Amino acid sequence: DGGITQSPKYLFRKEGQNVTLSCEQNLNHDAMYWYRQDPGQGLRLIYYSQIVNDFQKGDIAEGYSVSREKKESFPLTVTSAQKNPTAFYLCASSIRGGSPYEQYFGPGTRLTVT
Amino acid sequence: DQQVKQNSPSLSVQEGRISILNCDYTNSMFDYFLWYKKYPAEGPTFLISISSIKDKNEDGRFTVFLNKSAKHLSLHIVPSQPGDSAVYFCAASGHFGNEKLTFGTGTRLTIIP
Repeated sequence: DGGITQSPKYLFRKEGQNVTLSCEQNLNHDAMYWYRQDPGQGLRLIYYSQIVNDFQKGDIAEGYSVSREKKESFPLTVTSAQKNPTAFYLCASSIRGGSPYEQYFGPGTRLTVT
Repeated sequence: DQQVKQNSPSLSVQEGRISILNCDYTNSMFDYFLWYKKYPAEGPTFLISISSIKDKNEDGRFTVFLNKSAKHLSLHIVPSQPGDSAVYFCAASGHFGNEKLTFGTGTRLTIIP
């Protein structure tokens, strides 16, 4: 079955600790994305990558970092510099340069920092 | 600055009736629009899309209408079913090759049996 996996589904961390969220896809998609969702807000783009070894900041990149060493994987690190890290994090992927532009989403990781 | 707006945070509709969800955008460079459906604690799933060269796209019970002059689109669900209860997000994309999506804040649709 092709799809996107995110692990773990729930993650708890103490304030001041960095944490890395996993995202893997076997859809052979070139582009991958990270969003966060907060109550009452839409999905806000953190980082995206259209090709291996390249990525761009989204609208709210401060306090986050990513890497794209393999086509299938796009891990997100939430650093201690992120002021409000508690949120629901969603990873997505899509065909690059194709039409339509549907993004396929993983099941999400709920991160709680106390 | 919210470039994609869904001004109704929630909507309740009787089962069997029509559900109409609305979305407004401000960026005239957007040329492709999508609707996603999301259940709690899950990722959004793609529902239907429309290109700016069209004003209507239909897929079964779901129809999306686009009014470019008003920068407005709407999603119609007919007839509404209990399984349609979810949060619906409108999203927009720019010129071809730029897959970055801008999402609205979502509308929670509740179908009343």
